[in-house]
Amino acid sequence: SQQGEEDPQALSIQEGENATMNCSYKTSINNLQWYRQNSGRGLVHLILIRSNEREKHSGRLRVTLDTSKKSSSLLITASRAADTASYFCATDKAAGNKLTFGGGTRVLVKP
Amino acid sequence: DAGVTQSPTHLIKTRGQQVTLRCSPKSGHDTVSWYQQALGQGPQFIFQYYEEEERQRGNFPDRFSGHQFPNYSSELNVNALLLGDSALYLCASSLGGLNTEAFFGQGTRLTVV
Repeated sequence: SQQGEEDPQALSIQEGENATMNCSYKTSINNLQWYRQNSGRGLVHLILIRSNEREKHSGRLRVTLDTSKKSSSLLITASRAADTASYFCATDKAAGNKLTFGGGTRVLVKP
Repeated sequence: DAGVTQSPTHLIKTRGQQVTLRCSPKSGHDTVSWYQQALGQGPQFIFQYYEEEERQRGNFPDRFSGHQFPNYSSELNVNALLLGDSALYLCASSLGGLNTEAFFGQGTRLTVV
């Protein structure tokens, strides 16, 4: 079973626009990580946010975490065609523990 | 610095056969986890190896087994393959017990016919 659910399942935007996707989870967590996957290939790690953090930035990425609502969001600013991919959130309950993934958001950035 | 490497990249097997997939973790990492990703879904945790022992296991049958070697590399074995075992198999490495990122390999695409 999957811990998280991403919303929306699919997103289509124009190059230069911002893309926002959300992740909800069911149980308490230790960390939440976001990954990108291109065309069914390996997962690329984007960002890790700890349960005691509320916001984190990395380049054009902004991640927020609301543990009271058990949800996280990933914002990609000024999107590029190369951002076209599936994005997954993954949670763990303890350090070094297994990751539980959501079903992903498929993002299409049109040039 | 080499990342996580998996072999082979693609594999086609017949129902009932056995398969072995291999993973070398990122340099400095001592923990290897295996995931199965069916088409259009998120990865599902199979098991995790640390110090050459299975430390955690997901909801997968005993047909799925693994091994970790002293150099931290790992193998995933699947016996008596079923059509439903067709998936992308992903290996992730991390530093055991620490709040660090898990890094994934490119995966092995297994097709069972």
